[in-house]
Amino acid sequence: AQSVAQPEDQVNVAEGNPLTVKCTYSVSGNPYLFWYVQYPNRGLQFLLKYITGDNLVKGSYGFEAEFNKSQTSFHLKKPSALVSDSALYFCAVRDIEGGSYIPTFGRGTSLIVHP
Amino acid sequence: DAGITQSPRYKITETGRQVTLMCHQTWSHSYMFWYRQDLGHGLRLIYYSAAADITDKGEVPDGYVVSRSKTENFPLTLESATRSQTSVYFCASSESRHQPQHFGDGTRLSIL
Repeated sequence: AQSVAQPEDQVNVAEGNPLTVKCTYSVSGNPYLFWYVQYPNRGLQFLLKYITGDNLVKGSYGFEAEFNKSQTSFHLKKPSALVSDSALYFCAVRDIEGGSYIPTFGRGTSLIVHP
Repeated sequence: DAGITQSPRYKITETGRQVTLMCHQTWSHSYMFWYRQDLGHGLRLIYYSAAADITDKGEVPDGYVVSRSKTENFPLTLESATRSQTSVYFCASSESRHQPQHFGDGTRLSIL
C-alpha cells in the first residue's frame, strides 16, 4: 500500500523569506516522489521528481525538494518566496516495487505568499 | 499545439442527462487518467488506461464510463448525471510508468 500526507492545509510566508511545504509518505518498497503546482483554474503542473540519486532534487521555478528516507519525507523548499508562487501544491508517491503505476496524491497545501 | 486539451471547459446540465467530457493529447502518450477534484477530497482517480482499448477502474468509478478507441482520445461519460457528480474533472497523460503526469486545464461541471 502507498499513501502520502501533507500535514498543512495552508502555509503563509512573506515574500523574500524561505518557504517549506511538507510531505510525508508511506510505501512498502522504494518511492517515486513528485511535486506538482496548481494555479487557479488550471491543471496540475509538474515541478520535480525523485526516483534515485541525490537526496536534493532541483526543479522548475527555483523549487527544490529534499528526500529523507529515515523520516519518509519529501519537503518542497524555495530559498526566497515570490508572490507569484502563491498556489496549491500537491505531493504524490508511487511505490517502485508495487504492481500499479498509479500515483497517490496528497490533499494539497495552499501556499500564500504575502507582499 | 502540442499538449493535452479538455473540452468543454465549463458545462451546466441537469440531473439524469448524459454528458461526455472530452480529452485529447498530442504526444501519443500510452497512459491516460481521469480525476475529479473536490474541496476536502483532493484528487480522486475515476478511470485510467494503459493503452488503446485497455481501461481500468480507479477509486470512484461508479456512474462513469470511459472508452479509448484511439491512443490520443480518452472521453469520460456520465451516463445519468447526479448532483454529487458536480466537480472539476481533470484528464492527464504520461509517457511511461516512470514519468510524471501532464494535466489538462479541467472541465468545471455543474449538475442542477
